[in-house]
Amino acid sequence: AQSVTQLGSHVSVSEGALVLLRCNYSSSVPPYLFWYVQYPNQGLQLLLKYTTGATLVKGINGFEAEFKKSETSFHLTKPSAHMSDAAEYFCAVSTFSGGGADGLTFGKGTHLIIQP
Amino acid sequence: EAGVVQSPRYKIIEKKQPVAFWCNPISGHNTLYWYLQNLGQGPELLIRYENEEAVDDSQLPKDRFSAERLKGVDSTLKIQPAELGDSAVYLCASSLGTGQQFFGPGTRLTVL
Repeated sequence: AQSVTQLGSHVSVSEGALVLLRCNYSSSVPPYLFWYVQYPNQGLQLLLKYTTGATLVKGINGFEAEFKKSETSFHLTKPSAHMSDAAEYFCAVSTFSGGGADGLTFGKGTHLIIQP
Repeated sequence: EAGVVQSPRYKIIEKKQPVAFWCNPISGHNTLYWYLQNLGQGPELLIRYENEEAVDDSQLPKDRFSAERLKGVDSTLKIQPAELGDSAVYLCASSLGTGQQFFGPGTRLTVL
Protein backbone atom coordinates (compact mmCIF):
# COMPACT_ATOMS: atom_id res chain seq x y z
CA ALA A 1 0.00 0.00 0.00
CA GLN A 2 1.11 3.54 -0.56
CA SER A 3 0.13 6.92 0.80
CA VAL A 4 0.89 10.60 0.33
CA THR A 5 0.90 13.35 2.93
CA GLN A 6 0.88 16.99 1.93
CA LEU A 7 1.72 19.31 4.80
CA GLY A 8 -0.48 22.39 4.83
CA SER A 9 -3.86 22.49 3.15
CA HIS A 10 -3.27 26.18 2.40
CA VAL A 11 0.00 27.98 1.68
CA SER A 12 0.18 31.74 1.19
CA VAL A 13 3.19 33.53 -0.29
CA SER A 14 3.82 36.98 -1.67
CA GLU A 15 4.33 37.51 -5.37
CA GLY A 16 8.04 37.08 -6.12
CA ALA A 17 8.69 34.98 -3.02
CA LEU A 18 9.84 31.38 -2.84
CA VAL A 19 7.16 28.72 -3.16
CA LEU A 20 7.64 25.51 -1.15
CA LEU A 21 4.95 22.83 -1.09
CA ARG A 22 5.72 19.76 0.99
CA CYS A 23 5.03 16.16 0.11
CA ASN A 24 5.96 12.97 1.93
CA TYR A 25 5.10 9.52 0.67
CA SER A 26 5.18 5.93 1.79
CA SER A 27 5.60 3.04 -0.60
CA SER A 28 6.76 -0.55 -0.24
CA VAL A 29 8.38 -0.49 -3.68
CA PRO A 30 10.33 2.18 -5.57
CA PRO A 31 7.78 4.86 -6.34
CA TYR A 32 7.03 7.02 -9.28
CA LEU A 33 6.23 10.51 -8.00
CA PHE A 34 4.22 13.28 -9.57
CA TRP A 35 3.05 16.82 -8.97
CA TYR A 36 -0.16 17.94 -10.63
CA VAL A 37 -1.80 21.37 -10.68
CA GLN A 38 -5.53 21.95 -10.88
CA TYR A 39 -7.13 25.26 -11.75
CA PRO A 40 -10.80 25.85 -10.87
CA ASN A 41 -13.22 23.72 -12.88
CA GLN A 42 -10.41 22.11 -14.84
CA GLY A 43 -8.73 18.73 -14.90
CA LEU A 44 -5.29 17.99 -13.54
CA GLN A 45 -2.20 19.10 -15.43
CA LEU A 46 1.16 17.42 -14.89
CA LEU A 47 3.84 19.76 -13.54
CA LEU A 48 6.67 17.26 -13.25
CA LYS A 49 7.46 13.63 -12.50
CA TYR A 50 10.19 11.46 -11.04
CA THR A 51 10.62 7.93 -12.33
CA THR A 52 14.31 7.00 -12.20
CA GLY A 53 17.65 8.74 -12.59
CA ALA A 54 18.33 12.32 -11.57
CA THR A 55 16.64 13.13 -8.29
CA LEU A 56 16.18 16.83 -9.08
CA VAL A 57 13.49 17.14 -11.71
CA LYS A 58 12.41 20.27 -13.51
CA GLY A 59 8.92 20.86 -14.68
CA ILE A 60 6.79 23.41 -16.42
CA ASN A 61 6.27 27.01 -15.33
CA GLY A 62 9.57 27.15 -13.43
CA PHE A 63 8.71 24.46 -10.88
CA GLU A 64 11.10 21.80 -9.72
CA ALA A 65 11.13 19.02 -7.14
CA GLU A 66 13.75 16.86 -5.50
CA PHE A 67 13.30 13.19 -4.69
CA LYS A 68 14.92 12.38 -1.33
CA LYS A 69 14.65 8.68 -0.64
CA SER A 70 16.12 8.93 2.86
CA GLU A 71 13.44 11.45 3.83
CA THR A 72 10.68 9.88 1.69
CA SER A 73 9.98 13.38 0.40
CA PHE A 74 9.25 15.04 -2.92
CA HIS A 75 8.84 18.74 -2.13
CA LEU A 76 7.87 21.18 -4.88
CA THR A 77 9.60 24.55 -5.20
CA LYS A 78 9.60 27.63 -7.38
CA PRO A 79 12.07 30.47 -6.80
CA SER A 80 9.68 33.32 -7.55
CA ALA A 81 5.89 33.07 -7.27
CA HIS A 82 3.64 34.60 -9.91
CA MET A 83 -0.01 35.47 -9.55
CA SER A 84 -0.87 32.86 -12.16
CA ASP A 85 0.52 30.12 -9.85
CA ALA A 86 -2.53 30.38 -7.60
CA ALA A 87 -4.17 26.96 -7.84
CA GLU A 88 -4.54 23.59 -6.11
CA TYR A 89 -1.46 21.38 -6.14
CA PHE A 90 -1.51 17.61 -5.73
CA CYS A 91 1.36 15.26 -5.02
CA ALA A 92 0.83 11.68 -6.18
CA VAL A 93 2.61 8.33 -6.11
CA SER A 94 2.30 5.33 -8.38
CA THR A 95 3.83 1.92 -8.84
CA PHE A 96 3.62 -0.67 -11.58
CA SER A 97 1.68 -3.92 -11.57
CA GLY A 98 -0.46 -5.95 -13.91
CA GLY A 99 1.62 -4.87 -16.87
CA GLY A 100 0.92 -1.19 -16.45
CA ALA A 101 0.98 1.75 -14.12
CA ASP A 102 -1.24 1.48 -11.07
CA GLY A 103 -3.72 4.18 -10.36
CA LEU A 104 -2.26 7.24 -8.71
CA THR A 105 -2.55 7.73 -4.97
CA PHE A 106 -3.00 11.42 -4.32
CA GLY A 107 -2.45 13.64 -1.33
CA LYS A 108 -5.27 15.86 -0.14
CA GLY A 109 -3.88 18.84 -2.00
CA THR A 110 -2.41 22.22 -1.10
CA HIS A 111 -4.16 25.41 -2.08
CA LEU A 112 -1.53 27.96 -3.07
CA ILE A 113 -2.48 31.59 -2.51
CA ILE A 114 -0.40 34.37 -4.03
CA GLN A 115 -0.59 37.76 -2.35
CA PRO A 116 0.16 40.85 -4.42
CA GLU B 1 -3.31 15.89 -30.48
CA ALA B 2 -6.69 15.82 -28.79
CA GLY B 3 -6.72 15.30 -25.05
CA VAL B 4 -8.97 13.12 -22.94
CA VAL B 5 -12.60 13.95 -23.68
CA GLN B 6 -15.35 13.62 -21.10
CA SER B 7 -19.05 14.29 -21.31
CA PRO B 8 -21.17 15.70 -19.98
CA ARG B 9 -19.20 18.38 -18.15
CA TYR B 10 -22.01 18.97 -15.67
CA LYS B 11 -24.93 16.81 -14.59
CA ILE B 12 -27.69 17.49 -12.09
CA ILE B 13 -30.03 14.67 -11.12
CA GLU B 14 -32.36 13.74 -8.31
CA LYS B 15 -31.41 10.99 -5.91
CA LYS B 16 -32.31 7.45 -6.93
CA GLN B 17 -31.99 8.34 -10.61
CA PRO B 18 -29.40 6.66 -12.86
CA VAL B 19 -26.53 8.59 -14.44
CA ALA B 20 -23.78 7.78 -16.90
CA PHE B 21 -20.48 9.43 -17.74
CA TRP B 22 -18.53 8.95 -20.94
CA CYS B 23 -14.79 9.13 -21.55
CA ASN B 24 -12.76 8.98 -24.75
CA PRO B 25 -9.03 8.59 -24.00
CA ILE B 26 -6.12 9.89 -26.02
CA SER B 27 -5.72 7.83 -29.18
CA GLY B 28 -3.47 4.83 -28.64
CA HIS B 29 -3.59 4.94 -24.83
CA ASN B 30 -4.30 1.40 -23.70
CA THR B 31 -4.70 2.23 -20.01
CA LEU B 32 -7.78 4.09 -18.80
CA TYR B 33 -8.64 5.20 -15.26
CA TRP B 34 -11.73 6.56 -13.56
CA TYR B 35 -11.24 8.67 -10.44
CA LEU B 36 -13.66 10.25 -7.97
CA GLN B 37 -12.78 13.67 -6.56
CA ASN B 38 -14.75 14.97 -3.60
CA LEU B 39 -14.71 18.67 -2.83
CA GLY B 40 -11.44 19.71 -1.23
CA GLN B 41 -9.87 16.28 -1.66
CA GLY B 42 -7.46 14.57 -3.99
CA PRO B 43 -8.81 12.17 -6.62
CA GLU B 44 -9.34 8.54 -5.62
CA LEU B 45 -9.08 5.66 -8.04
CA LEU B 46 -12.31 3.84 -8.86
CA ILE B 47 -11.21 1.51 -11.65
CA ARG B 48 -8.32 0.91 -14.02
CA TYR B 49 -8.54 -0.73 -17.45
CA GLU B 50 -5.78 -2.30 -19.52
CA ASN B 51 -7.40 -2.33 -22.95
CA GLU B 52 -10.86 -3.83 -22.34
CA GLU B 53 -9.92 -5.66 -19.12
CA ALA B 54 -10.64 -4.15 -15.71
CA VAL B 55 -7.41 -5.00 -13.88
CA ASP B 56 -8.17 -3.07 -10.69
CA ASP B 57 -11.74 -2.43 -9.60
CA SER B 58 -11.17 -2.99 -5.89
CA GLN B 59 -12.30 0.56 -5.01
CA LEU B 60 -15.43 0.56 -7.17
CA PRO B 61 -18.64 0.33 -5.08
CA LYS B 62 -20.14 -2.46 -7.10
CA ASP B 63 -23.57 -2.32 -5.53
CA ARG B 64 -24.38 0.86 -7.45
CA PHE B 65 -21.41 1.62 -9.71
CA SER B 66 -20.53 -0.13 -12.95
CA ALA B 67 -18.13 0.57 -15.77
CA GLU B 68 -17.36 -0.80 -19.18
CA ARG B 69 -14.78 -0.41 -21.92
CA LEU B 70 -16.11 -2.85 -24.47
CA LYS B 71 -13.77 -2.20 -27.40
CA GLY B 72 -10.80 -1.09 -25.37
CA VAL B 73 -11.20 2.54 -26.40
CA ASP B 74 -13.90 4.72 -24.87
CA SER B 75 -15.47 3.95 -21.52
CA THR B 76 -18.68 4.54 -19.63
CA LEU B 77 -19.11 4.83 -15.86
CA LYS B 78 -22.63 4.38 -14.50
CA ILE B 79 -24.28 4.97 -11.14
CA GLN B 80 -27.66 3.40 -10.42
CA PRO B 81 -29.27 4.57 -8.26
CA ALA B 82 -27.46 7.79 -7.37
CA GLU B 83 -27.27 8.92 -3.75
CA LEU B 84 -26.68 12.37 -2.29
CA GLY B 85 -23.15 11.39 -1.32
CA ASP B 86 -22.25 10.69 -4.94
CA SER B 87 -22.07 14.42 -5.66
CA ALA B 88 -18.47 14.92 -6.78
CA VAL B 89 -16.27 15.33 -9.84
CA TYR B 90 -15.62 12.18 -11.85
CA LEU B 91 -12.30 12.28 -13.66
CA CYS B 92 -11.09 10.08 -16.48
CA ALA B 93 -7.41 9.65 -17.29
CA SER B 94 -5.45 7.68 -19.84
CA SER B 95 -1.89 6.49 -20.19
CA LEU B 96 0.45 4.64 -22.51
CA GLY B 97 1.55 2.63 -19.50
CA THR B 98 4.56 4.82 -18.79
CA GLY B 99 3.22 6.07 -15.49
CA GLN B 100 2.25 9.53 -16.74
CA GLN B 101 -1.50 9.94 -16.80
CA PHE B 102 -3.37 12.53 -18.81
CA PHE B 103 -6.59 13.78 -17.28
CA GLY B 104 -9.82 14.95 -18.81
CA PRO B 105 -11.72 18.01 -17.50
CA GLY B 106 -14.07 15.87 -15.43
CA THR B 107 -17.83 15.60 -15.00
CA ARG B 108 -19.27 17.48 -12.06
CA LEU B 109 -22.24 15.55 -10.67
CA THR B 110 -24.79 17.14 -8.37
CA VAL B 111 -27.36 14.84 -6.77
CA LEU B 112 -30.39 16.64 -5.29
